[in-house]
Amino acid sequence: DSGVTQTPKHLITATGQRVTLRCSPRSGDLSVYWYQQSLDQGLQFLIQYYNGEERAKGNILERFSAQQFPDLHSELNLSSLELGDSALYFCASSPGGGGAMETQYFGPGTRLLVL
Amino acid sequence: AQTVTQSQPEMSVQEAETVTLSCTYDTSESDYYLFWYKQPPSRQMILVIRQEAYKQQNATENRFSVNFQKAAKSFSLKISDSQLGDAAMYFCAYRSFNYGGSQGNLIFGKGTKLSVKP
Repeated sequence: DSGVTQTPKHLITATGQRVTLRCSPRSGDLSVYWYQQSLDQGLQFLIQYYNGEERAKGNILERFSAQQFPDLHSELNLSSLELGDSALYFCASSPGGGGAMETQYFGPGTRLLVL
Repeated sequence: AQTVTQSQPEMSVQEAETVTLSCTYDTSESDYYLFWYKQPPSRQMILVIRQEAYKQQNATENRFSVNFQKAAKSFSLKISDSQLGDAAMYFCAYRSFNYGGSQGNLIFGKGTKLSVKP
């Protein structure tokens, strides 16, 4: 158990809908990262937040957004969902601002199925 | 942009034997970090081992060791005395020393599925 929690574990929804994925980092960790794992794209970095502020952005669609709250938990919002958004969404956390030497600890993931 | 390539989609090893998983990467940077992550059927991503590019000595963690060849941009993972619990997807990942933008975060290969035969 990495100490990173994600809810829900599974999510089934329809095209065009909006969902929110939640992540609680390890106690004391200030950075939260979101990754998407799909069969065709593999594991891709979406976005990073550090102490409430956006720190880095990857291949995140405009239909997706995220935020980190004062208690450091983070939410990833996915809107106007398409079939291709079906994937496993991971949250990871690290102690500091995301320096290269920091280990990222991954949560168990949220499996999203868009029908 | 950096890329990570794992050329072996699947590998198989007999229990107690040794197996090596390959990884190559492409970068123009001189400072970076390399990682191997394990993803068992539970889907949890678990860090196996980490290598700093500025270190010549290969990293070792118990039965797991790497062969880091910086000039060849190669980073293979050796698993000794394979156990049934080692069966998983293994991902090689790169991380730039300069964080920010999209370069400071993990760039993953497509993965290698390792099966362990009893």
